[in-house]
Amino acid sequence: NAGVTQTPKFQVLKTGQSMTLQCAQDMNHEYMSWYRQDPGMGLRLIHYSVGAGITDQGEVPNGYNVSRSTTEDFPLRLLSAAPSQTSVYFCASRRGTGELFFGEGSRLTVL
Amino acid sequence: DQQVKQNSPSLSVQEGRISILNCDYTNSMFDYFLWYKKYPAEGPTFLISISSIKDKNEDGRFTVFLNKSAKHLSLHIVPSQPGDSAVYFCAASSRTGANSKLTFGKGITLSVRP
Repeated sequence: NAGVTQTPKFQVLKTGQSMTLQCAQDMNHEYMSWYRQDPGMGLRLIHYSVGAGITDQGEVPNGYNVSRSTTEDFPLRLLSAAPSQTSVYFCASRRGTGELFFGEGSRLTVL
Repeated sequence: DQQVKQNSPSLSVQEGRISILNCDYTNSMFDYFLWYKKYPAEGPTFLISISSIKDKNEDGRFTVFLNKSAKHLSLHIVPSQPGDSAVYFCAASSRTGANSKLTFGKGITLSVRP
């Protein structure tokens, strides 16, 4: 079972560049979300979606866009990368209100 | 304001002994609590959960205790093993609907000494 798949695993960007972190899940989960993990800060929610066509902001949404055109995919877009967005990003999904299943993470460095 | 607090950043225990990881929360609307375990370069994995209607939940070596009046929960690992060395995140949510969000603490790094 693939579960939650994130690509790329590593990325280096220059300030001002744009990119998309991809997330796909094959568990038919309606709920998908993006978190970032920073040292001493734990996991903070960026954006989430409760189904295709529905997205909402989490705790730290500024600088990020999301869309949900299918149940399986939930890409995270950085329109103009900043050094403050250097982090490890995790995509997660769940069915109903149960536990979240996480991907392996995408490590982003913005120079 | 941090709603889920893990005030101790690290814990070191001897193999075979008990590990007790603590977590406090401030939001009285939280009614579902979870513990996640994370190894370096991997995503967090679900460990154990507890609903607010219970005060204890056991799964093998792992037991979670919930004290609602104190807004406190703890994870007990008995006996601790070197493979338990990881970062442990406490998380909480209010299960009011499909859009309920999971709020995480900052994590505790557990080291189990052989």
